[in-house]
Amino acid sequence: NAGVTQTPKFQVLKTGQSMTLQCAQDMNHNSMYWYRQDPGMGLRLIYYSASEGTTDKGEVPNGYNVSRLNKREFSLRLESAAPSQTSVYFCASGDNEQFFGPGTRLTVL
Amino acid sequence: GIQVEQSPPDLILQEGANSTLRCNFSDSVNNLQWFHQNPWGQLINLFYIPSGTKQNGRLSATTVATERYSLLYISSSQTTDSGVYFCAVREGYQKVTFGIGTKLQVIP
Repeated sequence: NAGVTQTPKFQVLKTGQSMTLQCAQDMNHNSMYWYRQDPGMGLRLIYYSASEGTTDKGEVPNGYNVSRLNKREFSLRLESAAPSQTSVYFCASGDNEQFFGPGTRLTVL
Repeated sequence: GIQVEQSPPDLILQEGANSTLRCNFSDSVNNLQWFHQNPWGQLINLFYIPSGTKQNGRLSATTVATERYSLLYISSSQTTDSGVYFCAVREGYQKVTFGIGTKLQVIP
């Protein structure tokens, strides 16, 4: 079992560019999550999906969109990247206990 | 929303020493997890512990939900224990809140 996988691992964007971060899990969880982590801070929830076909905003949703493509996959899209979105992005899945992917380090210039 | 406070914010230990990390939360929670973020950024599950006590090797954790706190004990610390320890709580069905972590450095 791969657990939670994320692509890409690293990305550099220019302001205004768009991109999609991909996440997949093979643990048959209903719930999936996207977080961002900034230096010296804990993780902050961007969006979550309690089940296939549903998504809800977390603490910091502005500037992001999500898609729960199927039970396995949950993607995060930045439509017009801004320097304030420079961060490390983590995907997680879990109906009680959460399991995290390896993260995507995103830099927006 | 719920507030999660972790203490101490920073901790330096000599290898072999013991330590206790604390997580306080401001409201009732459905569950609580402890994570270790290693120096490479990977988040490692330590304990899923909404209540009670669990042990895993040199680590153990206790959550007293009625008093709104959890403790993580590290015994005989090793340099590989270095990193940041996070407490995360869930209120309601899905909303998860992380503390800002305890940064631990274990020196030889």
